[in-house]
Amino acid sequence: GESVGLHLPTLSVQEGDNSIINCAYSNSASDYFIWYKQESGKGPQFIIDIRSNMDKRQGQRVTVLLNKTVKHLSLQIAATQPGDSAVYFCAEKGAGGTSYGKLTFGQGTILTVHP
Amino acid sequence: NAGVMQNPRHLVRRRGQEARLRCSPMKGHSHVYWYRQLPEEGLKFMVYLQKENIIDESGMPKERFSAEFPKEGPSILRIQQVVRGDSAAYFCASSPPGHGTDTQYFGPGTRLTVL
Repeated sequence: GESVGLHLPTLSVQEGDNSIINCAYSNSASDYFIWYKQESGKGPQFIIDIRSNMDKRQGQRVTVLLNKTVKHLSLQIAATQPGDSAVYFCAEKGAGGTSYGKLTFGQGTILTVHP
Repeated sequence: NAGVMQNPRHLVRRRGQEARLRCSPMKGHSHVYWYRQLPEEGLKFMVYLQKENIIDESGMPKERFSAEFPKEGPSILRIQQVVRGDSAAYFCASSPPGHGTDTQYFGPGTRLTVL
């Protein structure tokens, strides 16, 4: 069945370091991927997205890389700050049919940034 | 520019009671999605609605759960005869009209506790 999973459930970094959060997906038909940040007691906050026709996309301090060959997604955060501490989820969306509209989420990675 | 709004933020019900969760999408958005999140887990898709239409309810339990998005007013997720296993955070997301708009923006969630 479809699944999106994360290799590392927790990640601890020092302030100023770069962080890399990884995600594996199993549905080769997925054509859209999103990273969300969720702080305690809040809803998921959109960070960055990427379509399957791209390998890389950059935002402010964040970069998403997509490797369709091995069905792997990563989120890179540059110069990580204490305010980046949160749970990070990757999510994928199918190309259509019954998958249209539905996001499938991974379990999440807890990022802790130490000052 | 208000984001997705959900109320109540916290809801306590006793077993057998009904729970009604409300979601007002972002201005201009006509697509609404409901997700459920258990503690320390990712979000699980429940239902996708457009105005007066259920598009995909593949994630909804077969019994006790229903959702609507009327022409006027918020989307409602209704849980009848709640059981302790229904305790979770329920998140609503919205997206603009059109097939090319994949990004879903989430509300703060409703945390349901069943005693």
